[in-house]
Parts: sequence; structure tokens; C-alpha cells
Amino acid sequence: EDQVTQSPEALRLQEGESSSLNCSYTVSGLRGLFWYRQDPGKGPEFLFTLYSAGEEKEKERLKATLTKKESFLHITAPKPEDSATYLCAVVSGNTGKLIFGQGTTLQVKP
Amino acid sequence: DAGVIQSPRHEVTEMGQEVTLRCKPISGHNSLFWYRQTMMRGLELLIYFNNNVPIDDSGMPEDRFSAKMPNASFSTLKIQPSEPRDSAVYFCASSFLPSGSSSYNEQFFGPGTRLTVL
Repeated sequence: EDQVTQSPEALRLQEGESSSLNCSYTVSGLRGLFWYRQDPGKGPEFLFTLYSAGEEKEKERLKATLTKKESFLHITAPKPEDSATYLCAVVSGNTGKLIFGQGTTLQVKP
Repeated sequence: DAGVIQSPRHEVTEMGQEVTLRCKPISGHNSLFWYRQTMMRGLELLIYFNNNVPIDDSGMPEDRFSAKMPNASFSTLKIQPSEPRDSAVYFCASSFLPSGSSSYNEQFFGPGTRLTVL
């Protein structure tokens, strides 16, 4: 069964304390992995798309990486404005379906 | 630029009533998605349209749910009759999918409609 698991569920960091969020997936024939950011009361906002193992993408303090079984969202020297829920989604090559993980809620304290 | 527009932003209704949620996608986008988000189940894809045609509605929970896209600038999600377990935030998203591309691309989400069924 296709599945996406994000960890940890919640993460608290001090400003400047770098860390990583994990997205593990079990799908047949990955056709794409997406990272979104969601602020409270708003819709998700697109961050990155990754398609193949070894691929990396960066945007400001965020860097997304992909292996054959998981993706990491690395946050370097985070700021309070990086506080949000980060969602991972994968497209199954077997079913063609888009599946979201439960998300990681990040809180960055000044 | 106007993003995805959803209305209403909040809806409170009683069990058994019909509920209609509306969405205007970003101009020029050819794919439209309806999602439901709850604490228990997270974000779930209900249905998506490509060029106004429903492509995958396997996420629609029951026959009480129906979605239409009469033209490229408007879509509705209807629940009839509504039940308390339908309470959730419903998001609409749109994207542009080039011809021959894979089924999903960067999506732009609307602000959501918070539905409460009493």
C-alpha cells in the first residue's frame, strides 16, 4: 500500500539552530515528490518538486534532498518566520495518485 | 495577481442541509483540485479536473459528494445531505499542466472554506 510518513510530528528549534525534517515513502515507481509549507489558516504554499534520487533543490534557508526511500527538508539557521507546517506529498507511479503526509509542525523561537 | 478564490470562507450549517462550495482557479490554469483537510486524516485529494473534465474522483468519500466544473473559471463541490463528519477545511487548488506532462505539477492553493456541520 502506498504510504507517506513524516517525522517528527512537531519540532521546536531555537533561532539559528539547523535541523532536518523527514519524509519517508513507500510507493511503486515514484513520479514526483513535493514539499509544501502551510501557515495557520491558509492553504499550502508550494516549495519544491523532486523527481529522482540524488536530486537537490534550494530556496533561501531550505534545501530539499531525495533518495529512493525518503526526502529530507534541511533548514539552515532558521528564523521565527520559518515557523509553519511542512507537508510532503508523493505521486505513485503505480496508481497515479497524489498522497500527502501528515506534516511536521515547526516552531522556531527567537 | 488574484490567486485561487474560494467562497464562502466559512460555512456553518445543520445536518441534512445542502452545502455548495465554490472555486475560481487562476486564469490560464488547466487543472483544478479539491481537497479536504482534518486533524485526523490530514490533507486528502477528493477529485481533480483537467481541462474541465474529471480525471480522478476516487477520493470522493461518498455519493453525497459531487463536483462540477462547467467552465475553465469555475468549479463547485456540493455535499447533499451534509453530516457532522463532513466538518473540515476544504481547499481548492489549480495548476498548469503542459500537454503530455505527468499528472501533477506545482499547485496553487486557495485560502480554504471552513465547513462546520452541526
